[in-house]
Amino acid sequence: KNEVEQSPQNLTAQEGEFITINCSYSVGISALHWLQQHPGGGIVSLFMLSSGKKKHGRLIATINIQEKHSSLHITASHPRDSAVYICAAFIIQGAQKLVFGQGTRLTINP
Amino acid sequence: NAGVTQTPKFQVLKTGQSMTLQCAQDMNHNSMYWYRQDPGMGLRLIYYSASEGTTDKGEVPNGYNVSRLNKREFSLRLESAAPSQTSVYFCASSEARRGSPLHFGNGTRLTVT
Repeated sequence: KNEVEQSPQNLTAQEGEFITINCSYSVGISALHWLQQHPGGGIVSLFMLSSGKKKHGRLIATINIQEKHSSLHITASHPRDSAVYICAAFIIQGAQKLVFGQGTRLTINP
Repeated sequence: NAGVTQTPKFQVLKTGQSMTLQCAQDMNHNSMYWYRQDPGMGLRLIYYSASEGTTDKGEVPNGYNVSRLNKREFSLRLESAAPSQTSVYFCASSEARRGSPLHFGNGTRLTVT
């Protein structure tokens, strides 16, 4: 079982819907990253957070350290938000390393 | 600023051939990384360099070598390519290994036949 699990694996929604993508991890971490991978393949860093909540435009990321869970929300979704969203957690137990989730493929239909 | 520049974008190799993937960053970052991305799997770390002059193995280092030529450049070499190395390769950099945002190159799609 991967130390970082994302859900759902695939998500299709209509334009304007509120989107939530979840990321759970099983060990202690120091920070969690949310990344966006466009259909063309490029990867962009959206957020890095270690506590609380961060907001950038229509994107909101939250993390609950006690529950070992993070969520990425997209408000007023748009077809250009269609991408793969990846969470990655920096594990601090044992061999310290950044572990990536498998990604959530989001498709927003007009 | 170009950010992280990775070359080539595409490459096809025959089994046994060698090649070097180049990566350069212009953000004065200390840490640089090479990842591979395979279908159904998360990004996996091949090698990383926490600072100029140092390199360390990641999760899947077998069949690869790296060189941190200077602070800007971090290259990945396949000495004898195998079909199992068919993948998309990403170079990335960050200010420090912990607690810093990652910046990725655009990726290299490598096919080994």
